Amino acid sequence: DVKVTQSSRYLVKRTGEKVFLECVQDMDHENMFWYRQDPGLGLRLIYFSYDVKMKEKGDIPEGYSVSREKKERFSLILESASTNQTSMYLCASSYGTANEKLFFGSGTQLSVL
Amino acid sequence: QKEVEQNSGPLSVPEGAIASLNCTYSDRGSQSFFWYRQYSGKSPELIMSIYSNGDKEDGRFTAQLNKASQYVSLLIRDSQPSDSATYLCAVYYGNNRLAFGKGNQVVVIP
Repeated sequence: DVKVTQSSRYLVKRTGEKVFLECVQDMDHENMFWYRQDPGLGLRLIYFSYDVKMKEKGDIPEGYSVSREKKERFSLILESASTNQTSMYLCASSYGTANEKLFFGSGTQLSVL
Repeated sequence: QKEVEQNSGPLSVPEGAIASLNCTYSDRGSQSFFWYRQYSGKSPELIMSIYSNGDKEDGRFTAQLNKASQYVSLLIRDSQPSDSATYLCAVYYGNNRLAFGKGNQVVVIP
């Protein structure tokens, strides 16, 4: 079974802190994605990566950056956390593009106080 | 930004009945369509994909696609309490981008 692991299930941070969300997949997938999910807004794409060190902005990249130094690991970085970044963050991976099945991690509920 | 609309509110269906979910999308050029199921507190999982006009059946699930009218639907036959979840419609519009609707909650009443 494909496993996508997110390092934290719940995270509480202060405004202005730098926050790292980690995601690891064990199936040698080329593509990895970061989404955030908010009530009433659904899932929105923040960033994705199609190869090591390659990244592309999604629909809502402002306030975020990403890092993919190894194929299996994709990190989401909040440079200076703000309260409007309180959300559920979901990492996903797929062997091909997002046109194929996405495998999601269990999510990180981030609260910024 | 591409729009995927799932407008109906929570759907309550008796056990054994058919649940019907609808989704419309804005990009006429979209070619791939998906339904993901998300249980409360869990992450989404893919249950159906459809690429051609018409119906596609998989067990108790049927996906229907009408590209001319830009809608895709999901039917759940013989609904079971285990089908109680939120169903997310997703549309692939190229460049590795998948747009999700806001989801429809289904509650199956025993």
